[in-house]
Amino acid sequence: ELKVEQNPLFLSMQEGKNYTIYCNYSTTSDRLYWYRQDPGKSLESLFVLLSNGAVKQEGRLMASLDTKARLSTLHITAAVHDLSATYFCAVLTQGNNRRLIWGLGTSLAVNP
Amino acid sequence: NAGVTQTPKFRILKIGQSMTLQCTQDMNHNYMYWYRQDPGMGLKLIYYSVGAGITDKGEVPNGYNVSRSTTEDFPLRLELAAPSQTSVYFCASSDRRRSTEAFFGQGTRLTVV
Repeated sequence: ELKVEQNPLFLSMQEGKNYTIYCNYSTTSDRLYWYRQDPGKSLESLFVLLSNGAVKQEGRLMASLDTKARLSTLHITAAVHDLSATYFCAVLTQGNNRRLIWGLGTSLAVNP
Repeated sequence: NAGVTQTPKFRILKIGQSMTLQCTQDMNHNYMYWYRQDPGMGLKLIYYSVGAGITDKGEVPNGYNVSRSTTEDFPLRLELAAPSQTSVYFCASSDRRRSTEAFFGQGTRLTVV
């Protein structure tokens, strides 16, 4: 059974600093997704990673995927307050009736 | 293009009451999902559907039922509401044929008292 672990679960950082959120998963998959959720809001798709070595960047966020290590990272560069949110990774199961397995989320607070 | 639309946005139910959460998508997606999210927690899959007429249980299906008579609609039925069903419910859809990400509705905040 596919399990997805994110760490850290809580992250408080200062503006201008860099940090990385990690997403490990337990069995083979070829699809990994990162989402953002603001408090009281729905989930917004950030990145879709479809192959080993995939790297995607949007603004101060960069996501990468290593399917051999079963690891994805979400790197935050020079954090700003607007990045404060909860970030989820989700991994697609293999086989029939594929579905997403979600991490618990990383609650990020960027402080002035 | 409205995407995924959920109704209602908020609801308070008394214990034992029933209700249906509506979900409609206009993207012709084959997959649809219902999740619940408890405070400070991740998403738990209640039911999902891979196409019209096909549904399957997720991680936490007890106390819920679904149907998928059309591609667009995927209602979630709560029978005999219990306080443990107090949560935020999200409907989502995706197009597996093109490996798109899941698109989420705005959520329904349900309180059972």
